[in-house]
Amino acid sequence: ETGVTQTPRHLVMGMTNKKSLKCEQHLGHNAMYWYKQSAKKPLELMFVYNFKEQTENNSVPSRFSPECPNSSHLFLHLHTLQPEDSALYLCASSLQSGTSGDNEQFFGPGTRLTVL
Amino acid sequence: QKEVEQDPGPLSVPEGAIVSLNCTYSNSAFQYFMWYRQYSRKGPELLMYTYSSGNKEDGRFTAQVDKSSKYISLFIRDSQPSDSATYLCAMSGRDTGFQKLVFGTGTRLLVSP
Repeated sequence: ETGVTQTPRHLVMGMTNKKSLKCEQHLGHNAMYWYKQSAKKPLELMFVYNFKEQTENNSVPSRFSPECPNSSHLFLHLHTLQPEDSALYLCASSLQSGTSGDNEQFFGPGTRLTVL
Repeated sequence: QKEVEQDPGPLSVPEGAIVSLNCTYSNSAFQYFMWYRQYSRKGPELLMYTYSSGNKEDGRFTAQVDKSSKYISLFIRDSQPSDSATYLCAMSGRDTGFQKLVFGTGTRLLVSP
């Protein structure tokens, strides 16, 4: 596989469930990101990881818990979500860390999440 | 006021037309400007990446940045039905953090055969 992959592509869960989203990048990048995309709203940055370390948490509720075991893999653990959390969750990666402006971000296909 | 304003459309054009997509922004510190294309049920795909003011051309696509007016544009020449998608502008700068891209809501483009 090439680029940025995400699994699952679709997920339906109840408010009491626990699930995880997985992202893998095959680009040799150092930085990985989680974004939320809701209808008629701009993409919202959730978390940033540089060299496996979390460097940004954009005031995301604790029911979303990220994990980055290495520079190629990123997870988003979900628990006790609300219906308003239903959205497309996108993972992205980039080569450079935040110290450089040359920071092209490449996105995966996303996980369409529905919370019942 | 939103940091980045983008007309949601839809913008409908016939095949072969020149398309102009635009974004305005309020933060004068933005330095890097991007255009992404997003097909239905897919992730955004990076089309153009520019720094500061000026033009950048890549095939049928031209990106323009006018920092004095806080206005960026994407032109598509000889538009094709396969160009039908949502186009997202994004930008970043040193004060907001280079990795914190600020996106517009996207403009939906429909190119009819």
